Amino acid sequence: SQQGEEDPQALSIQEGENATMNCSYKTSINNLQWYRQNSGRGLVHLILIRSNEREKHSGRLRVTLDTSKKSSSLLITASRAADTASYFCATDPSGAGSYQLTFGKGTKLSVIP
Amino acid sequence: NAGVTQTPKFRVLKTGQSMTLLCAQDMNHEYMYWYRQDPGMGLRLIHYSVGEGTTAKGEVPDGYNVSRLKKQNFLLGLESAAPSQTSVYFCASSEIGLREQFFGPGTRLTVL
Repeated sequence: SQQGEEDPQALSIQEGENATMNCSYKTSINNLQWYRQNSGRGLVHLILIRSNEREKHSGRLRVTLDTSKKSSSLLITASRAADTASYFCATDPSGAGSYQLTFGKGTKLSVIP
Repeated sequence: NAGVTQTPKFRVLKTGQSMTLLCAQDMNHEYMYWYRQDPGMGLRLIHYSVGEGTTAKGEVPDGYNVSRLKKQNFLLGLESAAPSQTSVYFCASSEIGLREQFFGPGTRLTVL
């Protein structure tokens, strides 16, 4: 079963605007990751945030994690047409013997030039 | 480095036919995974391996078999293809404990 659920399912913004995507999950985690998928391609890892971290930055990306609410958000600032893609959160559940990530269904972002 | 590669890129099968998808990685990763991606369903884990000679079932293993005879290769087999197996298949690999996964470009499979 899928643990991470992204919201919204689709998002359309103008170039230069900020884009915010949210992810909710159900169980305790070691870390949460965000991936990008361009149309027809494989997923590309963007950023990993550990359960003891609250915020992380990477270039124009900002990720927050609230373990009390079991939620995360991905902010892309000053969006570009090249940011058009689907974005997935993936959770690494805590507990011994876990070797799997659980992916959400994704947010489809369209950045209009 | 090529990273993770998958062959073939596209395939069309008739119901009941068999085929093998090949995944290869040149990063010396211990863990390898097979996912399927269907519209509106996200990625679902089929099988995975935590090392050479080991395999384990994921979320949707029925109708698939896997083998990991060499550390760098992970094979996904369909013994008797069904239309429900029409999907895009992705292979991924990761280091122990790092959890960041590296994905291949995918194989688009259609079963008629």
